[in-house]
Amino acid sequence: DADVTQTPRNRITKTGKRIMLECSQTKGHDRMYWYRQDPGLGLRLIYYSFDVKDINKGEISDGYSVSRQAQAKFSLSLESAIPNQTALYFCATSDHPGTGGMNYGYTFGSGTRLTVV
Amino acid sequence: GENVEQHPSTLSVQEGDSAVIKCTYSDSASNYFPWYKQELGKRPQLIIDIRSNVGEKKDQRIAVTLNKTAKHFSLHITETQPEDSAVYFCAATQANAGGTSYGKLTFGQGTILTVHP
Repeated sequence: DADVTQTPRNRITKTGKRIMLECSQTKGHDRMYWYRQDPGLGLRLIYYSFDVKDINKGEISDGYSVSRQAQAKFSLSLESAIPNQTALYFCATSDHPGTGGMNYGYTFGSGTRLTVV
Repeated sequence: GENVEQHPSTLSVQEGDSAVIKCTYSDSASNYFPWYKQELGKRPQLIIDIRSNVGEKKDQRIAVTLNKTAKHFSLHITETQPEDSAVYFCAATQANAGGTSYGKLTFGQGTILTVHP
């Protein structure tokens, strides 16, 4: 009953190849995010989308692009993969702020471990 | 934009001891501060959060404190158990529209907590 699903779970690709990571959700959330995790660097934001027609760059968007195909789907592409893009990638979703406050309890997917050789 | 610093990067304690992880943030407009726990090979999961209108929040053995003036917040785990061993991330965001940090979480670098039996 996974509510945020990422595919593939693991991928090894060669330098220069184009690769797409996919994320789908059944949470009904409008907001979706892509982060990468590197040891000692935490989780860094690549791109985010607050609704289907909204796409925003995060702090490390160079070399990446995204597509929000529907409310439930948010894909991350590496146009020409390079070794320093080897990392664990997480998709996440969140709801809008609630009445009287805010709740940004992200729900994360299980992650995609990408290795670029 | 927001910048979050987290310390220590690793923390080793004996079962039953307390553990404290500290974070500082840079954007005075940030007003929502969640903590995530990531067990080995798994996705980060929200364990507790605090909003800027309160100074402390508790949930059983975990608590979070916030000092808005100093722009720092801390996670306290009492009576630690081996199952508390994980990577812990703090995060911050501005949850009301209008600022550059609006709506997206900025994470700290993570703390690897090891609880020895």
